Amino acid sequence: DQQVKQNSPSLSVQEGRISILNCDYTNSMFDYFLWYKKYPAEGPTFLISISSIKDKNEDGRFTVFLNKSAKHLSLHIVPSQPGDSAVYFCAASANGGTSYGKLTFGQGTILTVHP
Amino acid sequence: DAGVIQSPRHEVTEMGQEVTLRCKPISGHNSLFWYRQTMMRGLELLIYFNNNVPIDDSGMPEDRFSAKMPNASFSTLKIQPSEPRDSAVYFCASSFTGQRNTEAFFGQGTRLTVV
Repeated sequence: DQQVKQNSPSLSVQEGRISILNCDYTNSMFDYFLWYKKYPAEGPTFLISISSIKDKNEDGRFTVFLNKSAKHLSLHIVPSQPGDSAVYFCAASANGGTSYGKLTFGQGTILTVHP
Repeated sequence: DAGVIQSPRHEVTEMGQEVTLRCKPISGHNSLFWYRQTMMRGLELLIYFNNNVPIDDSGMPEDRFSAKMPNASFSTLKIQPSEPRDSAVYFCASSFTGQRNTEAFFGQGTRLTVV
């Protein structure tokens, strides 16, 4: 049972254009969502997050949108740069209780930005 | 802070041998997670600790896997005996979990190859 799903294994975008990465979740207890970026031979690095009390969070070129009713979030990268080429993971957690910050990850989307 | 430190970076071992992976979390973090990344299953959570206490080990694949956290600055993941299907990249991550969850920080990973 995959609670966090990234249905697009890969995405190819031209430099300067927008990259949109999508993520769906099924567990209604999730209330904190994160995006991680991963380069080969490195660990995932935190990119941006959003709490369920918001529907948008922006940090420079990166914006995350959350649609709670659809259980869907997306990451927008504008403008895309070749250095953004990496694997992007969506992750979710449930605040409080006994989750202790446990993150459930999607399968990842390979983003390739062409010069 | 140097971040989450894992050792070794690479491990090649023969089937049947014992393997020990090590992790030093970020100072001040109270949650520690062990993840495994494979092509088939993506990033899967094996076990996590809070305040050095194992909270959930339901992701540990078999009794051959064990993990300990003897103090706040050190954790080990042991596989005994190792099998070729254990070949994967193993990540350790840590976070501070208080009233609200925050992002987890990952180490560089240990690439394990069992031949």
